[in-house]
Amino acid sequence: EAGVAQSPRYKIIEKRQSVAFWCNPISGHATLYWYQQILGQGPKLLIQFQNNGVVDDSQLPKDRFSAERLKGVDSTLKIQPAKLEDSAVYLCASSVGTGGAGTGELFFGEGSRLTVL
Amino acid sequence: GIQVEQSPPDLILQEGANSTLRCNFSDSVNNLQWFHQNPWGQLINLFYIPSGTKQNGRLSATTVATERYSLLYISSSQTTDSGVYFCAVEKGNSGYALNFGKGTSLLVTP
Repeated sequence: EAGVAQSPRYKIIEKRQSVAFWCNPISGHATLYWYQQILGQGPKLLIQFQNNGVVDDSQLPKDRFSAERLKGVDSTLKIQPAKLEDSAVYLCASSVGTGGAGTGELFFGEGSRLTVL
Repeated sequence: GIQVEQSPPDLILQEGANSTLRCNFSDSVNNLQWFHQNPWGQLINLFYIPSGTKQNGRLSATTVATERYSLLYISSSQTTDSGVYFCAVEKGNSGYALNFGKGTSLLVTP
């Protein structure tokens, strides 16, 4: 079974430029998550989708970050304009669903490492 | 939101030693997972364990939900066990995503 796919793996941009990351979840997984992991810290949730609807985007800096999940499958996370503090690894994860009975078990992709100069 | 505290923050072991990592959480949980983040940054599922005990090879985990803690045991450690171990929890019946602790950084030396 294929895992969560992410691209690009690495991206270097200058501040004020824009960048986009793509994620394709595990087939059949209804829930998709974007996490931000700054060096030395645990991952922090940016946005959670259930199918193509947003469940939680309370920690997404909406003045510069946007995300969409058209058709309820793959997703794109965009940053525009980027700031120095956006340097981090952006992790995509998916799960069958949420809640009990194992449906909330998360599986992560390899991540996209962003460096903002 | 739910608080997740992991201890110890850092751990150095000699190959072959055993260790116990702890995760305390502040509320009832619907989902608890342990992950290993390898030196390349990949988060690898170790256990999905909202309650009870599970074992997988040299690793085992126990969650005592009523007392709000989970333990990860590593026996006969190997250098490939090095990396950061994260505990992550979902608040009970919330339907929301996992909240991560700050992790335990483990270095196993030859």
